[in-house]
Amino acid sequence: QVQLQESGPGLVKPSQTLSLTCTVSGGSISSGGYYWSWIRQHPGKGLEWIGYIYYSGSTYYNPSLKSRVTISVDTSKNQFSLKLSSVTAADTAVYYCARVEPTTVTPDYWGQGTLVTVSS
Amino acid sequence: QSALTQPASVSGSPGQSITISCTGTSSDVGGYNYVSWYQQHPGKAPKLMIYEVSNRPSGVPDRFSGSKSGNTASLTISGLQAEDEADYYCSSYTSSSTVVFGGGTKLTVL
Repeated sequence: QVQLQESGPGLVKPSQTLSLTCTVSGGSISSGGYYWSWIRQHPGKGLEWIGYIYYSGSTYYNPSLKSRVTISVDTSKNQFSLKLSSVTAADTAVYYCARVEPTTVTPDYWGQGTLVTVSS
Repeated sequence: QSALTQPASVSGSPGQSITISCTGTSSDVGGYNYVSWYQQHPGKAPKLMIYEVSNRPSGVPDRFSGSKSGNTASLTISGLQAEDEADYYCSSYTSSSTVVFGGGTKLTVL
């Protein structure tokens, strides 16, 4: 069964770039067949889709975040990553990585999530 | 893209049935049969309960069912149990090849 694990700094200063990595086990990103996604949840709030990537590098981003988001993939490490630039306190959230079934674009397996706080 | 509209809260007694609605537009819920439902307990990651409007992943009890009419999808939980108390989120594929979530519904089992 596929498992995903987020990693990265839990504290980021305002105006800096948030960087997170998701390590996938139990399945190979390079085998294709799935998209790989980042989703966030502000404290006490609902879910917000950030974007997703295919192993080939094709990406789709939430229009509201598109100017600040970059999702990339490293198939040699079976990892994919998120970079969110120019962060503010409004970017404080739990960030989840997830596997996405491509036909229906359904996130089916999720990581446990990691809290990122933006504060000086 | 605007979030899908869900009621903030619903409640029911053990054994009863409840339904949670999820309203979107013809560019998301109404345009595709790609609506999913997630259950989230406090401090945990969301768990997929329903996909493609009405399909259950392996291991999800058949007490959980989904449907759709026009721009509104629904999740019904029958035979409510205490462990069903959680937050529930809907999601849909959109015409922009993106995903949009609902605002979430807190289910209280009385």
